[in-house]
Amino acid sequence: KAGVTQTPRYLIKTRGQQVTLSCSPISGHRSVSWYQQTPGQGLQFLFEYFSETQRNKGNFPGRFSGRQFSNSRSEMNVSTLELGDSALYLCASSEGRAGNTIYFGEGSWLTVV
Amino acid sequence: QQQVKQSPQSLIVQKGGISIINCAYENTAFDYFPWYQQFPGKGPALLIAIRPDVSEKKEGRFTISFNKSAKQFSLHIMDSQPGDSATYFCAASGWNNDMRFGAGTRLTVKP
Repeated sequence: KAGVTQTPRYLIKTRGQQVTLSCSPISGHRSVSWYQQTPGQGLQFLFEYFSETQRNKGNFPGRFSGRQFSNSRSEMNVSTLELGDSALYLCASSEGRAGNTIYFGEGSWLTVV
Repeated sequence: QQQVKQSPQSLIVQKGGISIINCAYENTAFDYFPWYQQFPGKGPALLIAIRPDVSEKKEGRFTISFNKSAKQFSLHIMDSQPGDSATYFCAASGWNNDMRFGAGTRLTVKP
């Protein structure tokens, strides 16, 4: 089974721009979660989608948004980028039931200059 | 707010020694406690997990100890090896599948 695939792996954006990151979950997984990882803040939960619906949401501003498609693939979007948005963005997938193991992709490295 | 507190932030252990990482949680609704291991340039990978109905779980050199009344759990790595050098995250989740992570511990095992 293929793992969680994230694209692009690396990208550089300018402050004020917007960015879209993509995630393909493990086949059969209906839940996709997004996390922001920074050296000082660890892994911060952004949101989780299950069957195209946002099921959980972390404490991030409205500039961070996401969506999930009928094939469970997910995208997250960050608008009006700020320097502090520079981070590793990780996508994770699971079957979606409580206590299921979540499997992470290798992440998308975003640098905002 | 940080719902899972992890310590220490970094840890250096000699090869063959025992590495111990501790976590404490606040939300009593959490009922699933996994540990993840992350190598540089990679996403975190599940190492071992426990539910609150048991006090200890062992898989090879890795053991989770769980204290429900104290709301604490810890990871013990026996006979630590240089290949164990990585960042370790504890996590907790409840019925809503909303997983919260600790801040991470960078483990270095010296040969």
